[in-house]
Amino acid sequence: QKEVEQDPGPLSVPEGAIVSLNCTYSNSAFQYFMWYRQYSRKGPELLMYTYSSGNKEDGRFTAQVDKSSKYISLFIRDSQPSDSATYLCAMSADTGRRALTFGSGTRLQVQP
Amino acid sequence: GAGVSQSPSNKVTEKGKDVELRCDPISGHTALYWYRQSLGQGLEFLIYFQGNSAPDKSGLPSDRFSAERTGGSVSTLTIQRTQQEDSAVYLCASSLSDVYGNTIYFGEGSWLTVV
Repeated sequence: QKEVEQDPGPLSVPEGAIVSLNCTYSNSAFQYFMWYRQYSRKGPELLMYTYSSGNKEDGRFTAQVDKSSKYISLFIRDSQPSDSATYLCAMSADTGRRALTFGSGTRLQVQP
Repeated sequence: GAGVSQSPSNKVTEKGKDVELRCDPISGHTALYWYRQSLGQGLEFLIYFQGNSAPDKSGLPSDRFSAERTGGSVSTLTIQRTQQEDSAVYLCASSLSDVYGNTIYFGEGSWLTVV
């Protein structure tokens, strides 16, 4: 079983919809949680960063972390065609390996 | 440049040949990472460098893979005797320091195809 599980999609929504992207994980030591967006043939770019549990909002994006359930979410409000990309969750602990552990990514398509 | 720079952007090689992939991190970033991304897959950690410390090589899939970082800056990932399963995007990333949870910034990747 992978340490981080993420539904690969594709997830297709109409423009303006609220999108919910999720990851589950098994390592209870994970403390840092990130969402990266990756456009086709580009490198991943950081969207959201959260430490420990709670919510964080940045414009149309909201990240949620529920450590008790080992579950993280990214919500996109008023989705736009330009949001069409692959979204990767990533996380790390505060001991041991410093490199991030990534989910496999969810491909999102926002239809105009 | 301002970002992580990788070269070549695309490489097609014959099975059994060696390849070298180069990464130039963001200026001032002391931590450097290599990841591999196969088609439709997530990012697989390969190796991590931090300053003059011994690198974390725990993600290298076989002894055909090696990496070095010269002068604490540019890094080269070498794959010897390439196999078809090595076909993937090799992504380099850097971060300002080795603090846990530090934000890492990725390059555009080197797309390797082994034929």
